Amino acid sequence: EMQLVESGGNLVQPGGSLRLSCAASGFSFSNYWMSWVRQVPGKGLEWVAIIKQDGSEKYYVGSVKGRFTLSRDNAKNSLDLQMNSLRAEDTAVYYCARSFSSGWYGHYYFDHWGQGTLVTVSS
Amino acid sequence: EIVMTQSPATLSVSPGERATLSCRASQSVSNYLAWYQQRPGQPPRLLIYGASTRATGIPARFSGSGSGTHFTLTISSLQSEDFAVYYCQQYNNWPLYTFGQGTKLEIK
Repeated sequence: EMQLVESGGNLVQPGGSLRLSCAASGFSFSNYWMSWVRQVPGKGLEWVAIIKQDGSEKYYVGSVKGRFTLSRDNAKNSLDLQMNSLRAEDTAVYYCARSFSSGWYGHYYFDHWGQGTLVTVSS
Repeated sequence: EIVMTQSPATLSVSPGERATLSCRASQSVSNYLAWYQQRPGQPPRLLIYGASTRATGIPARFSGSGSGTHFTLTISSLQSEDFAVYYCQQYNNWPLYTFGQGTKLEIK
């Protein structure tokens, strides 16, 4: 059975750092682009970042560029999101999501999601 | 950035009836449109991709249509488990993917 399990969410002060992890199992992790999507509690969804199968391409939403860094370890089937200079507006549940394409580069939807991990940025 | 606008914000429908949810894009996204269902306390679940293709395991009562800027998700005969929040997402504008704000489908 395919699983994505996020961890690392916590309460952190503004300006602080946090590292989220996503452990993947039940599929060939190294064959897929992977993303993080976040959701402010009670609000909508926002795509945050995406990484290519081999880690050679990474893309971020504008509001986190220069602060968040996405990485992956295909040997360990894991995806990490290093979050620095955190702001109150980064408070959200962060979901790890497998990114799937029907064959076209640049067109990825999210076909499997983890349960999410809550990040709270507050003093 | 492509803005996705869903309507209505809340839709009240009786079990067994049909529900029609709308999603509009601020510019054409071709057919690169996905729909997700989110139940309380759960992550989103993929329902539809390519505007009209059901994901694996999704019941036939869910159908998607549209292309360009106007899309529709139809649930033909509502079951109790279908009352949830539904999001559309465009994945045409690489790499800035955007979601609609959601439609809450509630029991009438």
